[in-house]
Amino acid sequence: QKEVEQDPGPLSVPEGAIVSLNCTYSNSAFQYFMWYRQYSRKGPELLMYTYSSGNKEDGRFTAQVDKSSKYISLFIRDSQPSDSATYLCAMHQGGKLIFGQGTELSVKP
Amino acid sequence: DTEVTQTPKHLVMGMTNKKSLKCEQHMGHRAMYWYKQKAKKPPELMFVYSYEKLSINESVPSRFSPECPNSSLLNLHLHALQPEDSALYLCASSQQLTGHPQIYGYTFGSGTRLTVV
Repeated sequence: QKEVEQDPGPLSVPEGAIVSLNCTYSNSAFQYFMWYRQYSRKGPELLMYTYSSGNKEDGRFTAQVDKSSKYISLFIRDSQPSDSATYLCAMHQGGKLIFGQGTELSVKP
Repeated sequence: DTEVTQTPKHLVMGMTNKKSLKCEQHMGHRAMYWYKQKAKKPPELMFVYSYEKLSINESVPSRFSPECPNSSLLNLHLHALQPEDSALYLCASSQQLTGHPQIYGYTFGSGTRLTVV
């Protein structure tokens, strides 16, 4: 079993839709959870990070962590074509980032 | 300056060639990383440098040789590569995020797309 599991998609939604991206993880020691966005032919960029359980909101983006279920989510409201990218969840441990597989999202105008 | 700059952006090399990838950051980050990313896969960690010293080597073959000449520069020397080494090579640097001593914000470069022929 991989430490971090993420559905690779691809996921295609119409503009304005609410997008839900999810990851599960197996290591209960993880405490710090991140979401990276990677556009084609670019490096990943940090989108949001959360500590322990709870929600964090930043504009149209909401990150949610449920440590009891070992489940994290990223919600995108009012999705835009510019949100089309690969979204990677990541957890930080021992000086390393452990990435999920990445979900490829396409938002159609 | 909030960027990690990687050169070259594209590289095609033969299996007997020697080439180097370069990475530069001027954000004062003291940790720098090399990652390898294959198509539709997440980045895989190769090496970590902390304060210019190699701290993590993820069992990378010796045909990849990292070097950190100073706190702003990171090189990856390539020799006798195989076609399966073709990938996007990403450099990153990191610092602790404010208020979170255990969370490190990574800044990635745009990568070098390497093709081995």
